Amino acid sequence: EVVMTQSPLSLPVTLGQPASISCRSSKSLLHSDGNTYLSWFQQRPGQSPRRLIYKVSNRDSGVPDRFSGSGSGTDFTLRISRVEAEDVGVYYCMQGTHWPPFTFGPGTTVEIK
Amino acid sequence: EVKLVESGGGLVQPGGSLRLSCAASGFPFNTYTMNWVRQAPGKGLEWISYISAGSSSIQYADSVKGRFTISRDNTKNSLFLHLSSLRAEDTAVYYCATGSAWPHFDYWGQGTLVTVSS
Repeated sequence: EVVMTQSPLSLPVTLGQPASISCRSSKSLLHSDGNTYLSWFQQRPGQSPRRLIYKVSNRDSGVPDRFSGSGSGTDFTLRISRVEAEDVGVYYCMQGTHWPPFTFGPGTTVEIK
Repeated sequence: EVKLVESGGGLVQPGGSLRLSCAASGFPFNTYTMNWVRQAPGKGLEWISYISAGSSSIQYADSVKGRFTISRDNTKNSLFLHLSSLRAEDTAVYYCATGSAWPHFDYWGQGTLVTVSS
């Protein structure tokens, strides 16, 4: 099973400032088909998860362009260029390359300072 | 608009059974793979089961293998999860999720809460 780790687990941020979350996998997420199946999800308080990013760096429809994803192999990053109040919540990375099972990171809680 | 609506959750005693449903609309259900993901109170996300569009491929997490059964009815645009031999640690919100491309987690329902307690 591929283990996903995230850091930090808690991220206090100032409104308008950038934020960055790291995600690492226990083995490379490069699939034999050439794709890297690393996704990022946002879960606002009391809501269902919502996918923000798929295949490392592709934003889902309706996701603000202040969110961006990068990385390769085993190291990935989600960046928020300027944090807004609506960005408060828990962020999860997930790998879909080596399955079953699909595995999620433990989550990073983003809060406003 | 893609819509996924879970139902069937509730309070059940340890060792009991329950069937969850996920009603789908707004997309060609019979061509989409489906997943179940759960979230224990205050905890993270855990994938638990996958079913292909035609039900030919089914997978489970080790934590539920042999106790949970996933199925679907493409004529009724519905996904199911039969939970049996329930344990306290199965207490969670259960979400159905789907998508147009691998690994099919574009869209999520609102979840249904299962509480296993005596």
